[in-house]
Amino acid sequence: ETGVTQTPRHLVMGMTNKKSLKCEQHLGHNAMYWYKQSAKKPLELMFVYNFKEQTENNSVPSRFSPECPNSSHLFLHLHTLQPEDSALYLCASSQAGDGYEQYFGPGTRLTVT
Amino acid sequence: QKEVEQNSGPLSVPEGAIASLNCTYSDRVSQSFFWYRQYSGKSPELIMSIYSNGDKEDGRFTAQLNKASQYVSLLIRDSQPSDSATYLCAVAGGTSYGKLTFGQGTILTVHP
Repeated sequence: ETGVTQTPRHLVMGMTNKKSLKCEQHLGHNAMYWYKQSAKKPLELMFVYNFKEQTENNSVPSRFSPECPNSSHLFLHLHTLQPEDSALYLCASSQAGDGYEQYFGPGTRLTVT
Repeated sequence: QKEVEQNSGPLSVPEGAIASLNCTYSDRVSQSFFWYRQYSGKSPELIMSIYSNGDKEDGRFTAQLNKASQYVSLLIRDSQPSDSATYLCAVAGGTSYGKLTFGQGTILTVHP
């Protein structure tokens, strides 16, 4: 498998559920990102990991908990979400550093009921 | 003031015409610039990157960068209905080291 993969592609969860999103990159990159894309809003950067270390948390609520066990895998653990958290969650990867091209996975469409 | 600004459109052009998409950015020391294409319900796909002033051509796509004017554009020649999508401008470098800042996107419609 090539590029950036994400699972699941669609997720419906209640506000009291706990679920996890998974991302895997096969590009040999060492930086990984979580973005949120809501309707009619620009892409919002949530978290950045460089060489497995979190280097950016863009004021994301604690109900979103990222995990990066190695440079190829990234998780986003979700718990007690709100309906306004419904969005497309995108994972991306790049070489670590500034100005490198980022490549996106297909995304997880999340609906919180 | 928005950091990366794009005309949200929609921009409608006839098939075969040139589509011109524009983007301005506020951080004068930004160094890297990218154009992504996003089809409805899909994720962004990188189509062009540009780092130096001037033009960069790739097939039917030409990116133009003018750092003095803080302006980057994307021209699509011989537009096809399959080019209909949202085009996202992204900027890196400067005060946002290691991060991309995205514009809100321009919706392009190419009609037969």
